[in-house]
Amino acid sequence: EAGVAQSPRYKIIEKRQSVAFWCNPISGHATLYWYQQILGQGPKLLIQFQNNGVVDDSQLPKDRFSAERLKGVDSTLKIQPAKLEDSAVYLCASSTSGSGNTIYFGEGSWLTVV
Amino acid sequence: DQQVKQNSPSLSVQEGRISILNCDYTNSMFDYFLWYKKYPAEGPTFLISISSIKDKNEDGRFTVFLNKSAKHLSLHIVPSQPGDSAVYFCAASATSSNQFYFGTGTSLTVIP
Repeated sequence: EAGVAQSPRYKIIEKRQSVAFWCNPISGHATLYWYQQILGQGPKLLIQFQNNGVVDDSQLPKDRFSAERLKGVDSTLKIQPAKLEDSAVYLCASSTSGSGNTIYFGEGSWLTVV
Repeated sequence: DQQVKQNSPSLSVQEGRISILNCDYTNSMFDYFLWYKKYPAEGPTFLISISSIKDKNEDGRFTVFLNKSAKHLSLHIVPSQPGDSAVYFCAASATSSNQFYFGTGTSLTVIP
């Protein structure tokens, strides 16, 4: 079974530029998550989708971050304009719906804003 | 507000000995707990989980213990191997929400 796919793996951009990350979840997983992990910290949830609807985006900085999950499969996370403090690993994860589930992570997209 | 806490940023253990990683949580609604292992430049990998109806779950060298009254869980690795050197994250979920909250991680070094 293929895992969660993410791209690009690494990206370096200047502040105020824009960047987009793509995620393809495990086939059949209805729930998709985007997490931000800053060095030395644990993953922090940015947004959670159930199929193509948003379940929770309370910690998404909506003035600069946006995410979509068209057709309930792939998802894109965009940052525009980027700030230095956005330097982090952006982790996509997916799970089946229901209780007692495990979430599975992709390898992450590493962003450096200079 | 950090709902899941790992108070030890790092731990060093001799190969063959037991590694014990600890995790505390504050939200009494959490009823499902997981441990993830993360190597540098990779995403977290699922290791083991436990439901709140149990107090212990074992998988090979890995055992997770849950103390609901203390809101505490621990991961035991025995015997520890150099390949276990990684950052370990605990996570907690209230299954009604299907949301997961992570601790800040403990970096384990197993010394050969």
